[in-house]
Amino acid sequence: ILNVEQSPQSLHVQEGDSTNFTCSFPSSNFYALHWYRWETAKSPEALFVMTLNGDEKKKGRISATLNTKEGYSYLYIKGSQPEDSATYLCAFSGGSNYKLTFGKGTLLTVNP
Amino acid sequence: EAQVTQNPRYLITVTGKKLTVTCSQNMNHEYMSWYRQDPGLGLRQIYYSMNVEVTDKGDVPEGYKVSRKEKRNFPLILESPSPNQTSLYFCASSLSRGLLNIQYFGAGTRLSVL
Repeated sequence: ILNVEQSPQSLHVQEGDSTNFTCSFPSSNFYALHWYRWETAKSPEALFVMTLNGDEKKKGRISATLNTKEGYSYLYIKGSQPEDSATYLCAFSGGSNYKLTFGKGTLLTVNP
Repeated sequence: EAQVTQNPRYLITVTGKKLTVTCSQNMNHEYMSWYRQDPGLGLRQIYYSMNVEVTDKGDVPEGYKVSRKEKRNFPLILESPSPNQTSLYFCASSLSRGLLNIQYFGAGTRLSVL
């Protein structure tokens, strides 16, 4: 089983703060890196799929970067809002199969 | 409306009684997958399918079976459920087999095995 680590495990910020968290994954045999947003009592929703080293994706106030050589991706949220409160999951696909391995997530709480 | 539909949403059963959780997608997606979510362990892939009649094991396949006889359906079968299969299950689908597209998740099935 591949090791996908996310840090921090949880994070509390104030409304308006900008924040970021990390996803680490194996740097060999990289294929794709996914980011998902998961609100309590709902289903995970996709944010980004990233495939190229140096890739940067943006969706509103949320952006992500990818470094496949060193095996990490950052997710940034600019000007956090209470509705950003959720668990943010990354998932790694690599090697010759098409399994997707998820990290345990970062739980973000944005206080008004 | 594009969606992934799982049924049932909630299920309580007893040890050893065979059950099937259905999953259907209406987006003509090639890739479908089943995950279970357990506290402290995150989402773990059970089985996935890259196309009709093509299935493969994920990280935690023991105790589960799947089939992909039609493109839209990907049922999860528990032949003899045990209490350690009590979990929240998600089905997901993606356009392409290569995981270069986002996955769409179903609403989840909460299973309790007594």
